[in-house]
Amino acid sequence: QQQVKQSPQSLIVQKGGISIINCAYENTAFDYFPWYQQFPGKGPALLIAIRPDVSEKKEGRFTISFNKSAKQFSLHIMDSQPGDSATYFCAARATNKLIFGTGTLLAVQP
Amino acid sequence: DTEVTQTPKHLVMGMTNKKSLKCEQHMGHRAMYWYKQKAKKPPELMFVYSYEKLSINESVPSRFSPECPNSSLLNLHLHALQPEDSALYLCASSQDNAGGGTDTQYFGPGTRLTVL
Repeated sequence: QQQVKQSPQSLIVQKGGISIINCAYENTAFDYFPWYQQFPGKGPALLIAIRPDVSEKKEGRFTISFNKSAKQFSLHIMDSQPGDSATYFCAARATNKLIFGTGTLLAVQP
Repeated sequence: DTEVTQTPKHLVMGMTNKKSLKCEQHMGHRAMYWYKQKAKKPPELMFVYSYEKLSINESVPSRFSPECPNSSLLNLHLHALQPEDSALYLCASSQDNAGGGTDTQYFGPGTRLTVL
């Protein structure tokens, strides 16, 4: 019940396209849902985050869509760029811990 | 400023060595974390310090010993490590450890540890 399931494992998108990464959870005690972007050899960087009482949050080209009833949330990257090529982790907060998804390796082709 | 700094960036050590990893944040955060990350895997929580006290130890072997000298600093002392301990070690901090609101964790760049 503490798991966060993330898909797809890897994703190839053409420059200018939309990248979509999905996550699902079971634990209704999760109360905050951040997304992290990680480049090789670097630490994860907080990208965008959402509370469960909000259905959508947009910051620039990055949008989180949140479906509380379905216990699903997704990251949309609009106008994907080669510089967006990285590993993306969704996460869910349970009081004092972050539960991470398994990660999605995104490659944006020029 | 949401910066967490970690030193060293890279560390190579033998199985009999003793070394330490250091982490520092100046955001006034009162919770600090150590994670271990293997290639192509998510970060794996090791320890949590809340208000300078160890609040979570995720059953980490005793060859890893954390220390929080003050609210801005976090150390991880390493002794008698095994080759399988080679990984990226990440430090993170958050406002506090109680959760709530929009508090979340900010990660440092990590220390790439290789155990020979």
